[in-house]
Amino acid sequence: DGGITQSPKYLFRKEGQNVTLSCEQNLNHDAMYWYRQDPGQGLRLIYYSQIVNDFQKGDIAEGYSVSREKKESFPLTVTSAQKNPTAFYLCASSISRGQGLKGQFFGPGTRLTVL
Amino acid sequence: RKEVEQDPGPFNVPEGATVAFNCTYSNSASQSFFWYRQDCRKEPKLLMSVYSSGNEDGRFTAQLNRASQYISLLIRDSKLSDSATYLCVVNSMNTGFQKLVFGTGTRLLVSP
Repeated sequence: DGGITQSPKYLFRKEGQNVTLSCEQNLNHDAMYWYRQDPGQGLRLIYYSQIVNDFQKGDIAEGYSVSREKKESFPLTVTSAQKNPTAFYLCASSISRGQGLKGQFFGPGTRLTVL
Repeated sequence: RKEVEQDPGPFNVPEGATVAFNCTYSNSASQSFFWYRQDCRKEPKLLMSVYSSGNEDGRFTAQLNRASQYISLLIRDSKLSDSATYLCVVNSMNTGFQKLVFGTGTRLLVSP
């Protein structure tokens, strides 16, 4: 079955450590996205990528980095520069431009807790 | 002002009731609109797209009023399994690429 996978489901990190969240999709989607969700707030866009080897900052990119070396994969690194990294991180994908009515499809998410 | 605004609820309704959620958006250039459903501690799942002429999918009806920048979702004959948070989502870009803006969600609790 096609879908989006994220790992790990839960992640604990000490302050000052970088950590990388995995996101893989086999939907053959060109575009991929990273969001974070905090209690009482809507999803906020961190980074997005429309095509391999290209990505753009979203609304809250500071303290995060990404890469897009393969169409299927879009890992997110939460660096020690991110001041408040504890959150629910969601990866999504969609078919490419011109398909606005199709929406985005989400992975199951990773809950990151900084101790 | 938030770009997408929703009443957070919760809406407490008995099984079989009809319930309506409303949402307003501020970017008049928005091109496409969606309702997502999110269960507790799970990812959002696409419930339905919202078309200009309004559309229905079983017990769910979505309406769009571009002049008022208003979107609605109507759920008829509520089931216990409808209990979830409903997210109003707007594609804020006037190109085909999707830059979605999410409302904070409206929580629905359906009781026996």
